[in-house]
Amino acid sequence: QVTLKEFGPALVKPAQSLTLTCSFSGFSLSTTGMSVSWIRQPPGKALEWLALIDWDDDKFYSTSLKTRLTISKDTSKDQVVLTMTNMDPVDTATYYCALVTGATGTAFDYWGQGTLVTVSS
Amino acid sequence: QSVLTQPPSVSGAPGQRVTISCTGSSSNIGAGYDVHWYQQLPGTAPKLLVYGNTNRPSGVPDRFSGSKSGTSASLAITGLQAEDEADYYCQSYDSRLTDYVFGTGTMVTFL
Repeated sequence: QVTLKEFGPALVKPAQSLTLTCSFSGFSLSTTGMSVSWIRQPPGKALEWLALIDWDDDKFYSTSLKTRLTISKDTSKDQVVLTMTNMDPVDTATYYCALVTGATGTAFDYWGQGTLVTVSS
Repeated sequence: QSVLTQPPSVSGAPGQRVTISCTGSSSNIGAGYDVHWYQQLPGTAPKLLVYGNTNRPSGVPDRFSGSKSGTSASLAITGLQAEDEADYYCQSYDSRLTDYVFGTGTMVTFL
């Protein structure tokens, strides 16, 4: 049974950095074809893809946000970490991590429940 | 801003058929990249509904069906039920942006 869960602060101040951790079970990120992505959703708005890391440690970032994002994985701990620098109130959103198994192509097969991050002083 | 455009809302009576369009361009849907669809019930995370343009994951009712043509894709819901009231998003890949991209989202409601 695949599960993913996001952990991180509920509130960050403008200009600070945000670090989110995705803890997962039921699969190994060292398995060929597996990838974990981060996706966010501002309140009442659409989904926005942020970053992806694959089994081979290849990393891919949103073109518009890549200068602010860093994604990494710790296979031994079954965790993926996303860091976003220079946070702004417009970054207020629910942040999701999601698994790409490869069995469905480029679809996000499983999602965590999401964690709401508010950026405010 | 999203590069895949969806109608903000569609509505139908219980039992009716509704369709949701997803309009892209030559750098995403028109370039041959797969389209996937997600259902997001109120207050919950998105759930994969259709993948690879037309395929349903195990457990998804066959009332949901996907199609793709040219630079657009569609999701059809036949026999609309109360539990189908949700937001629906399409998703693909864009080769110009080199990003995974989502649609603007569509809210499905009962008339």
